[in-house]
Amino acid sequence: GQNIDQPTEMTATEGAIVQINCTYQTSGFNGLFWYQQHAGEAPTFLSYNVLDGLEEKGRFSSFLSRSKGYSYLLLKELQMKDSASYLCAVTDSNYQLIWGAGTKLIIKP
Amino acid sequence: GAGVSQSPSNKVTEKGKDVELRCDPISGHTALYWYRQSLGQGLEFLIYFQGNSAPDKSGLPSDRFSAERTGGSVSTLTIQRTQQEDSAVYLCASNQGEVNTGELFFGEGSRLTVL
Repeated sequence: GQNIDQPTEMTATEGAIVQINCTYQTSGFNGLFWYQQHAGEAPTFLSYNVLDGLEEKGRFSSFLSRSKGYSYLLLKELQMKDSASYLCAVTDSNYQLIWGAGTKLIIKP
Repeated sequence: GAGVSQSPSNKVTEKGKDVELRCDPISGHTALYWYRQSLGQGLEFLIYFQGNSAPDKSGLPSDRFSAERTGGSVSTLTIQRTQQEDSAVYLCASNQGEVNTGELFFGEGSRLTVL
């Protein structure tokens, strides 16, 4: 079957750095997405990786290793507003989006 | 409109009643998705519309669920004879690509509570 694994919950301190991991087993691969979802709100797009390597966008970076079926989202200089769930999603060979359950990130002052 | 619009934002209904949830995608977006999200869970795919192609209904959990998209724009998700396990947030998303290689734009969702 197809599976996306990410930690259920993580806690980090304001101003610090946190890395949220995502591993996937899918039938084929056509890209990996990270979305942010604040409680009670709609998910919003953060990043898209289709080639191996690191994509940097401001305080957020996303890394992909296709051979390892692995990605991470790196958040630097954490702010209280970064408290949210972070969803990893993979597009399989049929271009279906497979979603992880999300990682709830709690930021403490 | 500027974003994906969903209505109602909240719906409380009694078990056994039918409900309709509406989604108005971003103008010009040919792809439209319905997802279900239960508390603390990931997104569960329900149905996908792309242009004039036949929809991908593979995620609909039972025949009580149906959806249509009229004129390639507004979509309605209908749940017949609602059950308590149908309680969830129903999210609609759209994008302008032909395949899932582009960013999805989500609506705020319709929170359904079945008593």
